[in-house]
Amino acid sequence: SQQGEEDPQALSIQEGENATMNCSYKTSINNLQWYRQNSGRGLVHLILIRSNEREKHSGRLRVTLDTSKKSSSLLITASRAADTASYFCATARGSGNTGKLIFGQGTTLQVKP
Amino acid sequence: DGGITQSPKYLFRKEGQNVTLSCEQNLNHDAMYWYRQDPGQGLRLIYYSQIVNDFQKGDIAEGYSVSREKKESFPLTVTSAQKNPTAFYLCASSTQGNEQFFGPGTRLTVL
Repeated sequence: SQQGEEDPQALSIQEGENATMNCSYKTSINNLQWYRQNSGRGLVHLILIRSNEREKHSGRLRVTLDTSKKSSSLLITASRAADTASYFCATARGSGNTGKLIFGQGTTLQVKP
Repeated sequence: DGGITQSPKYLFRKEGQNVTLSCEQNLNHDAMYWYRQDPGQGLRLIYYSQIVNDFQKGDIAEGYSVSREKKESFPLTVTSAQKNPTAFYLCASSTQGNEQFFGPGTRLTVL
């Protein structure tokens, strides 16, 4: 079963605009991670936010986590055509520390030059 | 260069055949994972291994088998019991509880 649900499923913006993607989950988590996937390629880790953190930044990326609402958002500022990809959230399950992740179905982002 | 590799990049299987997908890492990670990705979908966990000579079933293990005889290697066999094996297969590794590093994937097609 999919724990993470991304919203929207697809997003199209102009270069220079900001892109916001949301992720909701159902059960308690140790951490939440965001990954990027270019078409036909493997996933690349972007950022990890732990359950006791509320916000984290990495370059043009900003991730927030609201554990009371079981939701997270990924903001990409000043988007570039090279940001065109699919973005997935993944949650590390709350019990134990097996490293197992549950992935959402992803948001497909298109940045038009 | 440290990293995780998968081979082959493309694989074709006939009905009734078993095929093995290779995954190797030189990151000294204890944990390794196999995922399946169908078009337009997220990743689903097939098997994972937290340590050499030990592995556990994920959410969709039926029709698949794995081994973990070496820390660096975690091959996945897609058996004839897997009725719908056409998919993109991704291998990953990690240190416990942290980010996962992914290989480039193997695209398996049943003829």
